[in-house]
Amino acid sequence: QVQLQESGPGLVKPSETLSLTCTVSGGSISSYYWSWIRQPAGKGLEWIGRIYTSGSTNYNPSLKSRVTMSVDTSKNQFSLKLSSVTAADTAVYYCARSLSWSYGMDVWGQGTTVTVSS
Amino acid sequence: QSALTQPASVSGSPGQSITISCTGTSSDVGGYNYVSWYQQHPGKAPKLMIYDVSNRPSGVSNRFSGSKSGNTASLTISGLQAEDEADYYCSSYTSSSTLPYVVFGGGTKLTVL
Repeated sequence: QVQLQESGPGLVKPSETLSLTCTVSGGSISSYYWSWIRQPAGKGLEWIGRIYTSGSTNYNPSLKSRVTMSVDTSKNQFSLKLSSVTAADTAVYYCARSLSWSYGMDVWGQGTTVTVSS
Repeated sequence: QSALTQPASVSGSPGQSITISCTGTSSDVGGYNYVSWYQQHPGKAPKLMIYDVSNRPSGVSNRFSGSKSGNTASLTISGLQAEDEADYYCSSYTSSSTLPYVVFGGGTKLTVL
């Protein structure tokens, strides 16, 4: 079945750009929406945004000015960039799959911890 | 502050039923049937339990059910089992901004006594 795996630096300095990649295995990246969600330690989930395989995006308004998502269908990967990070961006970052606004996010990666610190 | 409001905690004994509420507005829960529920055990990724208010993905126990009335969605777990102890999050499509996005509730910790 489809599996997702997040990868990227676990430590990012304040004011720099956080970059993560999610690799899709066991299935095609095509015809799905791919989301990023984060969760600070001991806190709830926050949806960051999503990208379709065509490249169209939807972002959380609270993060929109700092977020860029991209997709590479040839590598079955999609990516997240979050600029000008602060300690408040420290969290576990998950990638997930959905078919549309409907159907929910049915496949999730295991998550990767990103710490923002100098 | 989360866009959707959930109780911080609920509890129940094995075999009992519990209900977790998720209250939003007409721009999200009340306006669309795009409410999902996720279960998260400590240190694990969330798992989709209910989508589109009341639909269960394949493989999810029929002890889990969802409903909606007005601006409030609900997750009911019947026949509580020890393995149901986890955090539960609701989410909804929202049109409260210029472009649509997804909002989550603050999460509810379920304790099985």
